[in-house]
Amino acid sequence: DAMVIQNPRYQVTQFGKPVTLSCSQTLNHNVMYWYQQKSSQAPKLLFHYYDKDFNNEADTPDNFQSRRPNTSFCFLDIRSPGLGDAAMYLCATSRDLTETYEQYFGPGTRLTVT
Amino acid sequence: RKEVEQDPGPFNVPEGATVAFNCTYSNSASQSFFWYRQDCRKEPKLLMSVYSSGNEDGRFTAQLNRASQYISLLIRDSKLSDSATYLCVVNLPGDSNYQLIWGAGTKLIIKP
Repeated sequence: DAMVIQNPRYQVTQFGKPVTLSCSQTLNHNVMYWYQQKSSQAPKLLFHYYDKDFNNEADTPDNFQSRRPNTSFCFLDIRSPGLGDAAMYLCATSRDLTETYEQYFGPGTRLTVT
Repeated sequence: RKEVEQDPGPFNVPEGATVAFNCTYSNSASQSFFWYRQDCRKEPKLLMSVYSSGNEDGRFTAQLNRASQYISLLIRDSKLSDSATYLCVVNLPGDSNYQLIWGAGTKLIIKP
């Protein structure tokens, strides 16, 4: 089945220790998104890629970076995680920017910072 | 004022009852509206779009009230499996047409 896969599902990192979360998709969608979601809050868009074009949200901290080496894979790098970065990180895809309403989400990676 | 506001709940509803909740949005130029469902500790999934004329899908009915700037979701004959958080999503027009504005969700608990 076509899907969005995130690894790992649970990640524990130490304060200040760089961590990378990964996302892959078999949907062949052009757009990939990274969201941060904290408990009882709305998903917060961090950035998205339209093909190779990277679009950063204005309020996304510099601590968060992303890479998309090919259509299928997208990575979220947190350079120096703080305690406030503990959250669920959701990767999503959409076929195109004209179809942003229908986003297909991965199961998420729950990040704990100790 | 938040761009998209929802009553966080929880709404505790007996199985078989009808439940409805609203979502208000602040930008009158908003073009498209959607309901997503998110199960506990899982990812959001698109439930249904909200059209100007209303939209019905089985036990679920979504409506849009542009004059008062809110959308609603009504669930009839509620099932235990309807327990989830329902997220309201608004699509803004213009250069940021890729951007979805998410509400924080309304938690629904269906009790046997």
